[in-house]
Amino acid sequence: QSALTQPASVSGSPGQSITISCTGTSSDVGGYNYVSWYQQHPGKAPKLILSDVNHRPSGVSNRFSGSKSGNTASLTISGLQAEDEADYYCSSFTSFSTWVFGGGTKVTVL
Amino acid sequence: QEKLVESGGGVVQPGRSLRLSCATSGFTFSLFGMHWVRQAPGKGLEWVACIWNDGSHNLYGDSVKGRFTVSRDNSKKTLFLQMNSLRAEDTAVYYCAKTVTMSGGEMDVWGQGTTVTVSS
Repeated sequence: QSALTQPASVSGSPGQSITISCTGTSSDVGGYNYVSWYQQHPGKAPKLILSDVNHRPSGVSNRFSGSKSGNTASLTISGLQAEDEADYYCSSFTSFSTWVFGGGTKVTVL
Repeated sequence: QEKLVESGGGVVQPGRSLRLSCATSGFTFSLFGMHWVRQAPGKGLEWVACIWNDGSHNLYGDSVKGRFTVSRDNSKKTLFLQMNSLRAEDTAVYYCAKTVTMSGGEMDVWGQGTTVTVSS
């Protein structure tokens, strides 16, 4: 099972919006609405920020939103803030009854 | 609040075994599936294994299948990962994570991780 494809890095200025893509196949992202996104600050454990493509857990800022089209899911961070600087990972359930993560995207706030 | 605490990591020689534990509190452990996820130094997240709430189903990533075994003791609210035939490429921080269902699913609570180093 190959990792989902994410851009290595994305950057933006405070207040701007950025979008991170997550591309898989019809056996994972395209086949299920079980796409999740995780935020990880350096030296910390990952934190769930979106599940089921676009569901925000309680306590997660509404500046985070998700979508999916075909085999590609996307995470959008609007009103970018300094605290959003972190690594972001997508994850999907697969037809092999396993889970797969993306390679991760480093978000830099300029 | 929901809390997960991993332990059991350390330095081990290639080919040897190690058993990780994940002690839980703050939620009804027996109702939820659990995952193990690892992260090699400077690398991304890799899903390792998942176990149903009652231990009836175990799922594994290709890189650990046949070498690692996930199990749980619901009476002790503890998750385990038995790692055999360890290789250098198993070196990573290992996280346990709770799911939101009795089977698999998204990982809504994570531990702080325990470090495993496989080296001679």
